[in-house]
Amino acid sequence: QVQLQESGPGLVRPSQTLSLTCTVSGDPISSGGYYWNWIRQHPGKGLEWIGYISYSGSTYYNPSLKSLITISMDTSKNHFSLKLSSVTAADTAVYYCARAHYPSYDLEYWGQGTLVTVSS
Amino acid sequence: QSALTQPASVSGSPGQSITLSCTGTSSDIGDYYYVSWYQQHPGKAPKLIIYEVTYRPSGVSNRFSGSKSGNTASLTISGLQADDEAAYYCSSYSSINSPVVFGGGTKLTVL
Repeated sequence: QVQLQESGPGLVRPSQTLSLTCTVSGDPISSGGYYWNWIRQHPGKGLEWIGYISYSGSTYYNPSLKSLITISMDTSKNHFSLKLSSVTAADTAVYYCARAHYPSYDLEYWGQGTLVTVSS
Repeated sequence: QSALTQPASVSGSPGQSITLSCTGTSSDIGDYYYVSWYQQHPGKAPKLIIYEVTYRPSGVSNRFSGSKSGNTASLTISGLQADDEAAYYCSSYSSINSPVVFGGGTKLTVL
């Protein structure tokens, strides 16, 4: 059974960098056919796709966030990470990591989500 | 503004069937069979209930079914149950901008 777990600070100061890690169990993130995604959900709102890193390490980011985000992976620890720079209050959200099949991009496995609040 | 359009809310009575719609464009739903549906209960992570327009993951009730026509995808829930009360999000592959686009979500209320 594949499981994903987000971790990271729950509070980030404005203009700082938000850093989250998604630890995966039950499946090597370097195994072919899957993309590893970050999605966020603002309070009371819908889902926003942030970006993914593929099993081979290639990345694709939401164009609206592209200049601010970096997604990386550490296969030795079987986790992947999100960095979002220059955060503002508008980045306050629940952040989810999820595994997607390629090429259908259906998000079959999700982490439980972690709330990140941007506040001074 | 979400790339895919869903009604904000729908309601139905237990035992009824209800259909949720999701409208996109020829760059996403209209041209690809990569439509997914997710169910989200309050405070929980979304759960995949339909993928590639019509397929159900293992363990998902056959009361959920999906289809698409043109630029619009649909999720039908038959035999509504109290536990079906949740938010439902559609998603599609898109050939422009982001490869993953979501609808704004539909809140289903079971009366």
